[in-house]
Parts: sequence; C-alpha cells; structure tokens
Amino acid sequence: SQELEQSPQSLIVQEGKNLTINCTSSKTLYGLYWYKQKYGEGLIFLMMLQKGGEEKSHEKITAKLDEKKQQSSLHITASQPSHAGIYLCGAELSGGSNYKLTFGKGTLLTVNP
Amino acid sequence: KAGVTQTPRYLIKTRGQQVTLSCSPISGHRSVSWYQQTPGQGLQFLFEYFSETQRNKGNFPGRFSGRQFSNSRSEMNVSTLELGDSALYLCASSWRGELEAFFGQGTRLTVV
Repeated sequence: SQELEQSPQSLIVQEGKNLTINCTSSKTLYGLYWYKQKYGEGLIFLMMLQKGGEEKSHEKITAKLDEKKQQSSLHITASQPSHAGIYLCGAELSGGSNYKLTFGKGTLLTVNP
Repeated sequence: KAGVTQTPRYLIKTRGQQVTLSCSPISGHRSVSWYQQTPGQGLQFLFEYFSETQRNKGNFPGRFSGRQFSNSRSEMNVSTLELGDSALYLCASSWRGELEAFFGQGTRLTVV
C-alpha cells in the first residue's frame, strides 16, 4: 500500500474558488514537502513543513502540518488558472538523514476560467 | 543562474538496449538525486549522490546504476531495457542533500 496517500486524485474548480488537498502518511513524518508539477515537466518546490502545527503561506497557497494525524493539507484561496497542475506531497519517513523523499501519487488540479 | 539541465529530453529505445541519461546540477550544488515517475507508481527514488559517493539507493534492480563526476554532473544508466522502464526520469540538485531541491525538466524515456 502507498505510504503517502493524497486526496483527491483530481480536482476541477471554477476560478476564484477555494480548494484543499490532503496528504496522509502511514508512517511518522520527519518532514513534509509540497511540490507542483506541470504535466511532463520538473517539480517546483512550494513549501516545507517540519514541526507539528506548523503553517506556511506563499501568495495564495497555505500548507499546514498536523503531526498527530500525520497529515498535511494544502489550501489554495481564490484559485486562478495559473494554479493548475499536479500537486505532490513528499515526505521524509526516516529519522536519519537519508536524502530521500517518498512521494504521494499527486493531485491533478484543473482551474476553469 | 542556470537551472538543473537534463539531457536528452526525449529518448526512444528498444527492449534489451541500454541507455545513459545525464544531469548537470545548479552550479555549486554537490548533491544530485534521481527519481523515476510513472503513471502507475508515481515518483520513486532511485539514488542520491554527493561528492561522487552514492549515499542512498532506492528499491530498483541492479540494471539501474548511476555515478557522479568530480564536477557534480551525474549520469544514470539503465541496462537491458524493459517496457516497464518507460518513464519520466527526473534529477534534482541541492547544496548538500537538502530535500527542498531544484528539479530538472526530466528525460522522457520510451522503450518499445
């Protein structure tokens, strides 16, 4: 089974609407990273969360980490077509430095103008 | 500042052949990681190199290998290609192995 589950798998929203993407781990989280990918291209780093309860924002995107639930959420406010893409969560699932991220399968976001 | 450069961008190979992919990290970065992305399995870690040393390896068969040169450029090699090796291969670079890394555009490998 997948160590990191993302939901939903895909999402279609109207421009201007808010949305939330979730990422849940079956193992202890030592760090949670959000990336965005345009189809068939490389990943762009968005945010990193390391402490329970931590919340970070960049422009209209906010990410939170719930350490107890081993879960992170990514919230986009007033979505725009430029937010469209695949959102991937990646996690450090090992306490030692092993230089490796385990990724979820991604959430495909479509924003209709 | 140039980003992470992967070459070639696209590649078509026949089953049984071997292939070498290249990754040039951002100047000054000494860590390079490789990932395989497929629709079925998603993004999976292949290996990470720092200063020419492999520090971690994912769960891939021995047909997948890599190396890093003294200028931090890295190559990965896949021998005896199988249809299932068709994927987008991504490399990421960072200063010392930080996981908030910079990714290249990827090499799309198709095995026929």
